[in-house]
Amino acid sequence: GESVGLHLPTLSVQEGDNSIINCAYSNSASDYFIWYKQESGKGPQFIIDIRSNMDKRQGQRVTVLLNKTVKHLSLQIAATQPGDSAVYFCAENLNKLVFGAGTILRVKS
Amino acid sequence: DTEVTQTPKHLVMGMTNKKSLKCEQHMGHRAMYWYKQKAKKPPELMFVYSYEKLSINESVPSRFSPECPNSSLLNLHLHALQPEDSALYLCASSQDRRVGAGGYTFGSGTRLTVV
Repeated sequence: GESVGLHLPTLSVQEGDNSIINCAYSNSASDYFIWYKQESGKGPQFIIDIRSNMDKRQGQRVTVLLNKTVKHLSLQIAATQPGDSAVYFCAENLNKLVFGAGTILRVKS
Repeated sequence: DTEVTQTPKHLVMGMTNKKSLKCEQHMGHRAMYWYKQKAKKPPELMFVYSYEKLSINESVPSRFSPECPNSSLLNLHLHALQPEDSALYLCASSQDRRVGAGGYTFGSGTRLTVV
């Protein structure tokens, strides 16, 4: 997702539903991508990564999909829980780690 | 130990003050980073150290001065800051600068307010 003005895009989901967070990255030469979760008052926390020679990678309750043709990355969270509420950033690595704009995930109980 | 520790957690300083932010890791990582994060924005890279040598300075103003005394420590010296420098300052580390699994490990940051 892209930021609009001062506001991060927000995704609101019901507890138990699946969440999909999207990210457009900027550099077609980027070869490694990471999703981070940042809770209020904390630093970014690693969730899952994927290299550019893959198009899908699964972790525990999370899946990352990479579409290099359109420079798009997505994070799928299965059975979203209240503890998943946070800001989610994608980051691309090209000699240095550069973060995307971020998406706020709000989980409604 | 799998953490990056930053001190202090909060800092309020005047525009004429000199202060330092500290970052420590004991994971044997040889690359360390400073990021700046404003509210509702992503972290922005400031400096990269690799094997205790500065390898990237993202055109940061000289009122921010990084220092890497040894492979476990990273400091950020602050002098004559402006109110717009108020932000969350994040330290991170990684095994080295090559692309590697697990990305960077971040500390919880120092919340800096310049008055």
